[in-house]
Amino acid sequence: GAVVSQHPSRVICKSGTSVKIECRSLDFQATTMFWYRQFPKQSLMLMATSNEGSKATYEQGVEKDKFLINHASLTLSTLTVTSAHPEDSSFYICSARGWLAGGPGYNEQFFGPGTRLTVL
Amino acid sequence: RKEVEQDPGPFNVPEGATVAFNCTYSNSASQSFFWYRQDCRKEPKLLMSVYSSGNEDGRFTAQLNRASQYISLLIRDSKLSDSATYLCVATYDKVIFGPGTSLSVIP
Repeated sequence: GAVVSQHPSRVICKSGTSVKIECRSLDFQATTMFWYRQFPKQSLMLMATSNEGSKATYEQGVEKDKFLINHASLTLSTLTVTSAHPEDSSFYICSARGWLAGGPGYNEQFFGPGTRLTVL
Repeated sequence: RKEVEQDPGPFNVPEGATVAFNCTYSNSASQSFFWYRQDCRKEPKLLMSVYSSGNEDGRFTAQLNRASQYISLLIRDSKLSDSATYLCVATYDKVIFGPGTSLSVIP
């Protein structure tokens, strides 16, 4: 199946620094990418939806100036956590949705492996 | 009210048991429905789609009742490897996950 990669898989940083997480679709063009975060023992919470070439749509309660999303191409989206604080420590997962060449013909969604962010 | 709600769990069942998970969604405009499985500290993986006519994949059966806005997942003959968190998903213009139900299959 299609592969979505994330980098880095794990990051530890000091409070106040910014962290960039990359999400790439490796063998298909992702028309839409989603960013989720998951706190321990909780479900995935959608943070934002981004379509290539346009501004991301943020969910209620998610600060767009703190979580900067760039979806510059059909294979790459980035999430930058600016001025990270310990409460931002979480598991961040991206997913990409797009049409697979030779696929079943519907718009599938694939998840990246996640990035575990720890802010000290 | 949460958009997608699930049984709180956890479910602890012996090997070979049949277990059923329930899920309800609040947005009647939801179009597609799925069950995902998530292992500890891993990304969620698609288990199966859910159709109004009901669908079966081996030991797994999923059903959708649009009138009641209700989705179910039945696992027969539980295996140890079925232990995971099962997430119900409803989509319209975005994808909404339920809080998940934890399953532990015990030897």
